[in-house]
Order: sequence, then structure tokens, then C-alpha cells
Amino acid sequence: GENVEQHPSTLSVQEGDSAVIKCTYSDSASNYFPWYKQELGKRPQLIIDIRSNVGEKKDQRIAVTLNKTAKHFSLHITETQPEDSAVYFCAASRAGGTSYGKLTFGQGTILTVHP
Amino acid sequence: SAVISQKPSRDICQRGTSLTIQCQVDSQVTMMFWYRQQPGQSLTLIATANQGSEATYESGFVIDKFPISRPNLTFSTLTVSNMSPEDSSIYLCSARGGAVTGELFFGEGSRLTVL
Repeated sequence: GENVEQHPSTLSVQEGDSAVIKCTYSDSASNYFPWYKQELGKRPQLIIDIRSNVGEKKDQRIAVTLNKTAKHFSLHITETQPEDSAVYFCAASRAGGTSYGKLTFGQGTILTVHP
Repeated sequence: SAVISQKPSRDICQRGTSLTIQCQVDSQVTMMFWYRQQPGQSLTLIATANQGSEATYESGFVIDKFPISRPNLTFSTLTVSNMSPEDSSIYLCSARGGAVTGELFFGEGSRLTVL
């Protein structure tokens, strides 16, 4: 089955700096890669996703890049703000058929943005 | 997007008892998914709940321990049977938000503590 490794486990930055979180996956058939943000005591919320037919996707201060050959993808947050502090999870799945919604998650990254 | 409601939001249970978690989606969805998030950990898929058929369980999870019902396209239940302290976790219900985009949305979770 799929295995997703996420690094770093903790990340501390100053407000305004950039933050980068990296994930690798093992199943070459995976083609859907979402990122979730989970604040303390709350549900995971989708912040951005990318499919294997594109290499990069951006949404305001958040961007995700995908390297299919190397089987890794990364989350980039620019101009970080204290409200970006949360746990971030990457995930991978085969988007289609019975695999849709069956996400394999990385271990999570605790991001702390200091004012 | 899909709005997903779960209850109970939290409960304290005694060892050896069983508890049923209910999940309601505000729209009809083909597949619903149950995830477990152990304290401070990532999310792990327990099973996929399909309407009109038996749930499909992931490796390490069995029907006797986690029976699931899916009586219609908007509702599912997960029972945690014969609980032990190791079952103390957050249990999250999820469903895809749309047939085209396929984003997975989560309920707010049910936090179970087993004494």
C-alpha cells in the first residue's frame, strides 16, 4: 500500500518568513495530493490540493509543487502569519473508482509562527 | 462543499462497553469514510462505508471491533465495540464534497476517552 513520509515534524518561523513542508510517497499510481490544516481541537480542513497532471498550483500565499518522477510534493507558505500556526498534513491517494477518498496521510508538521 | 455533522462530539466510556458514533452529511454521497486520529498522531483510514453493501475495512481493522452501518446516502454510524484504553482517539467521519473535484471533507470528530 501507499506510504507517505512528511518532514519536518515541527517547524518554527518568524512572522513574514516562508515555510516549506515536504512529503514523499511510495505508490507511483497515486495521483491526488491534498494538504490539510488542523487547528487544535478542530477538524482537518483542506487548504490546497494538486493532481498529477500539473506540477504546481498556487492560491494566494499557499503553493504546492509536485515532482512525479521523484515522488515528492511540497507545501510552501509565504508571508506567514500567526494564524497560520497549526498542524499540517499531506496526503496521497489514487483519485478514481473505489480509491476515491481513501487518503494516506503523512505524520503531520506542527507549524508555529512567532509574532 | 459538504457539511458533515457528528455526534457525540466527545464521550468518556468505561472499558468493555461499546459506543456508536453518528455521522450526517447535508447532501447525498456515494461513499463515506471513517478515520481514526490517535492523540497527537496522524489520521488512519478505518473503513469505507458504501450504501447498500458491507463496509470495506483497511488492514488492521475488523468488522467485529468497528461495525459500520450505512442505511442511506446521507447517514452512517461507526460503533467502537468492547472498548479498551487503546481505543481512546478522535474518530472522524468524512465524505467527498463533489463528484467532479473530489475533495474530502471531515466532520468535527468524536473524541472518545476510555477509562
